[in-house]
Amino acid sequence: DQQVKQNSPSLSVQEGRISILNCDYTNSMFDYFLWYKKYPAEGPTFLISISSIKDKNEDGRFTVFLNKSAKHLSLHIVPSQPGDSAVYFCAASGKGAQKLVFGQGTRLTINP
Amino acid sequence: NAGVMQNPRHLVRRRGQEARLRCSPMKGHSHVYWYRQLPEEGLKFMVYLQKENIIDESGMPKERFSAEFPKEGPSILRIQQVVRGDSAAYFCASSFGRVAYEQYFGPGTRLTVT
Repeated sequence: DQQVKQNSPSLSVQEGRISILNCDYTNSMFDYFLWYKKYPAEGPTFLISISSIKDKNEDGRFTVFLNKSAKHLSLHIVPSQPGDSAVYFCAASGKGAQKLVFGQGTRLTINP
Repeated sequence: NAGVMQNPRHLVRRRGQEARLRCSPMKGHSHVYWYRQLPEEGLKFMVYLQKENIIDESGMPKERFSAEFPKEGPSILRIQQVVRGDSAAYFCASSFGRVAYEQYFGPGTRLTVT
């Protein structure tokens, strides 16, 4: 039962363009959503998050959008840089819950 | 302020042996979480512990796996009688409070069972 899904295993974007990573969820009890970035042989690093009471959160080049009715969130990176090449995981948490539920990840490659 | 420490970073075990994975949380953090990542998959929650207590072990396999977080020392994830299917990356995370979204991850231990 995959409650958080990232349907694109990989994405390739040209440097300077916008990268859009997508995530869908099925559990309506989730109330907090996060994006993590992961380099090979390292642990996930927190990137940006959004509460279910908001529909947008922005931090520098990174913006997360949440569409609760569609149970969909997306991460926009603009402009994309070579250092953004990594695996990006979407994660969700329910109210009062301690555990994070992760998607399968999307490998982003930024081409010069 | 040192981050979450995990050791060993790489561990090779033969089938039937025991694997012990250690996690030292960030300074001041008393909540520890263990996740497992199988090849080409996302991280899957295993267990959540506070000092001397297991709070949620809903993601732990019923047999061979155990975890502890003693009053002193690191948290330990123990896998007895390892099988090839246990080969994975095991990540530990810690947090200051009981808030799921403030988890900081360690670099992981890559377990290979031969």
